[in-house]
Formats: sequence, structure tokens, C-alpha cells
Amino acid sequence: EPEVTQTPSHQVTQMGQEVILRCVPISNHLYFYWYRQILGQKVEFLVSFYNNEISEKSEIFDDQFSVERPDGSNFTLKIRSTKLEDSAMYFCASSEGAGLQETQYFGPGTRLLVL
Amino acid sequence: GESVGLHLPTLSVQEGDNSIINCAYSNSASDYFIWYKQESGKGPQFIIDIRSNMDKRQGQRVTVLLNKTVKHLSLQIAATQPGDSAVYFCAEKSSNGGGFKTIFGAGTRLFVKA
Repeated sequence: EPEVTQTPSHQVTQMGQEVILRCVPISNHLYFYWYRQILGQKVEFLVSFYNNEISEKSEIFDDQFSVERPDGSNFTLKIRSTKLEDSAMYFCASSEGAGLQETQYFGPGTRLLVL
Repeated sequence: GESVGLHLPTLSVQEGDNSIINCAYSNSASDYFIWYKQESGKGPQFIIDIRSNMDKRQGQRVTVLLNKTVKHLSLQIAATQPGDSAVYFCAEKSSNGGGFKTIFGAGTRLFVKA
């Protein structure tokens, strides 16, 4: 069964450093998403991406964040200058379409720890 | 503002019993609701969904009930098994200027005792 994959599984970084989290969505999916989950809290939407453009973003997704689809398979989330409060689990998701009932498939997540 | 939340943070049930996980939402215009299961170290996994024009939907061992009058959603798991132990999230999907945004609730941790 096809699945969303994410690398690395864990990332430790110093405050102020840049990090890039990588995702490989399911191959025939066209819509991609990033979510984050601070430890013990709910999953929060960050951004959705389609056709090489951001389609939706939340108030969390400020100028420190950017997304990119550098090639035909990868989808990345970059945090330019990490802050302590960026420590969280980051989930990538993808879906075939963007309709109301379109199912999003989540990857296993990258646990980011900012020291 | 919009919010989706859960009544109880943890639920402990005996193996074989039925489980009921509850969720309240505040946006009366919400059109679509989803239950996700999150096992330790994994991402959320779709379980079942329901549109706002329905009040009940059944899957394999799971049933979702929607009460729009009181803005309440529940997930019922029949004959709960140890493999059902996980955190369960309700989520609301609503239109946002042409696209859709998924808003997750806080999560309920289900413990299944053997």
C-alpha cells in the first residue's frame, strides 16, 4: 500500500539554525500539506500546497516557514531560524484531490527538537 | 472562533467492551467531520467520516454519530481490542475561501485493558 514517507524521523537543532524537513507524498497525489503537533497537544494545520503554489496557510505559517517541491517527488518544509517553540512533531500529508471528502494520508512525522 | 474539542482526555475500557469517544464542535456551519486514530510514533490515520446531512454512519466495528442540535460528535468502537489503544482525534473540515481547512480537536487517549 502506498504511503507518505518523511525524513528524518528525528532532528535536533540549535535555536536560530535552519532546518529542512522532507516528505515524499503518495505518487499520484496532487495536494500536499504540513501539520505540526506540539507534544501533548492537538494537530495544527500549517499549509497546503498545489500546483507549486501555497493554497492555504494558517497564522502559524509565518515568514520563518517556507515550502517547496524541488523535484517530482519531494515536498519540503523549511524553517529559516528555528525558535524553541518550533519544537514539535511535523506531519506531512497528501491527498489525490482537494474536495471536501478527499482523504488526507499522513506520514509518520519528524520530531523536531530545538535547543 | 472555530474550535473542535473533546470532553475527556483519557478513556480506559476493558477488552471486549464498547468504547464511546465524544467530541464537541462550535462551528455550526461545519459540513464534514472526520475521526482519526493516532498510534504511538505514527501520523493520524483516517477511520471514518460523516457529512453534516447525516446523523449516523457505520464502518467496520466503528460508528460515528452526529448531533447537530447540540454540536456533538461521537465515535463508537464495538468490541474494543488492544490494537485500538491510541489517541483519537475528531476533526472538522470547513470551507475557507475556496479551499478547505482541517481543524483537529485535542484528542482522547484510549487505553484498552486486557
